[in-house]
Amino acid sequence: GAVVSQHPSWVICKSGTSVKIECRSLDFQATTMFWYRQFPKQSLMLMATSNEGSKATYEQGVEKDKFLINHASLTLSTLTVTSAHPEDSSFYICSASGPNYSYEQYFGPGTRLTVT
Amino acid sequence: GDSVTQMEGPVTLSEEAFLTINCTYTATGYPSLFWYVQYPGEGLQLLLKATKADDKGSNKGFEATYRKETTSFHLEKGSVQVSDSAVYFCALRGNFNKFYFGSGTKLNVKP
Repeated sequence: GAVVSQHPSWVICKSGTSVKIECRSLDFQATTMFWYRQFPKQSLMLMATSNEGSKATYEQGVEKDKFLINHASLTLSTLTVTSAHPEDSSFYICSASGPNYSYEQYFGPGTRLTVT
Repeated sequence: GDSVTQMEGPVTLSEEAFLTINCTYTATGYPSLFWYVQYPGEGLQLLLKATKADDKGSNKGFEATYRKETTSFHLEKGSVQVSDSAVYFCALRGNFNKFYFGSGTKLNVKP
């Protein structure tokens, strides 16, 4: 149980375009989902926390207009990188916690974004 | 604020050697502590956890004890295998269920 999936697993896009990444909790309802960014050989940096049906809470220094987060249902959250630039290239990881797993975070496998 | 500090890597060991990866934390309140493992190209997997002082988390031969007096949660394994090669992250869960991660320690185990 407690499986989290991400789609796509990797994506290449051109500078200036937008990319949407999906995060799904497959076998539980996730009241809260988290989005992280990981640079090569570095730790995870929390970008934002999203609660189902409400606006995401962004960490300091994260541009909310650039990284749009939507948590429309208890099993799906999306991260849209708008007008992507090469410096947005990174590994994006989501995690989910839910009412039955409220003290755990279960991580997705990550999405590798490369902006050319 | 809350933070986690762990030893820098990479750590290179021979198979069957003893492993220690140090982790210390700073937190307000009483955080839960975790070790996650990340294999190449994959997301994080929970390895073990401890939710209060003196708790010992264990899994797959790995152990870590929550030491409040030294604010530490060191990861140990008595005999590592090649398959243990990965990046290990120490983390704490603070207020509002937010996780704070250490910088990660890469472990290379040679046959």
